[in-house]
Amino acid sequence: DGGITQSPKYLFRKEGQNVTLSCEQNLNHDAMYWYRQDPGQGLRLIYYSQIVNDFQKGDIAEGYSVSREKKESFPLTVTSAQKNPTAFYLCASRGTSSPLHFGNGTRLTVT
Amino acid sequence: QKEVEQNSGPLSVPEGAIASLNCTYSDRGSQSFFWYRQYSGKSPELIMSIYSNGDKEDGRFTAQLNKASQYVSLLIRDSQPSDSATYLCAVGTGGGNKLTFGTGTQLKVEL
Repeated sequence: DGGITQSPKYLFRKEGQNVTLSCEQNLNHDAMYWYRQDPGQGLRLIYYSQIVNDFQKGDIAEGYSVSREKKESFPLTVTSAQKNPTAFYLCASRGTSSPLHFGNGTRLTVT
Repeated sequence: QKEVEQNSGPLSVPEGAIASLNCTYSDRGSQSFFWYRQYSGKSPELIMSIYSNGDKEDGRFTAQLNKASQYVSLLIRDSQPSDSATYLCAVGTGGGNKLTFGTGTQLKVEL
């Protein structure tokens, strides 16, 4: 089945540690996105990539980094510079002229 | 002013009634509009997309778009308890390369 796979579903880290969230898609979509969701704040765009080896900052990129070495993969690293990393992270992708579809999300807790 | 605004709710309707969800947006150049449904703890799933003024119907769902008023709405006919969720309005901005989301309206369908 085609889809977007995010792993792990739950992730726990200590403050000061970097952590990488995985996102893989087998939909042959060119564009991939990372959103963050906090209670009562909706979804906020962190980074997006429209093509391999290229990506753009979204609205809240500070403290995050990404790479797009393969069309299928768009991992997100939450660095120790991110002041409030605890959140629900959603990866999404879309093809040409098609709507955005989401993975199942990773819930990150940093203590 | 927020780019995409929704009433947070909760909006409570009795089973079988019509639920009306509203969304306004600020970017007059927006060309694409979407409604996503999100159950608690889950990722958003696309239920409707609309690109031109007027109504678009799909089963019990009708999306309405008025670009002059910068307004998009979602009607749910014959509401069921399984429709109870948060509904996110999303608007294509930045030339359509990214979606900006509202904070969502919580819908409760009561027996």
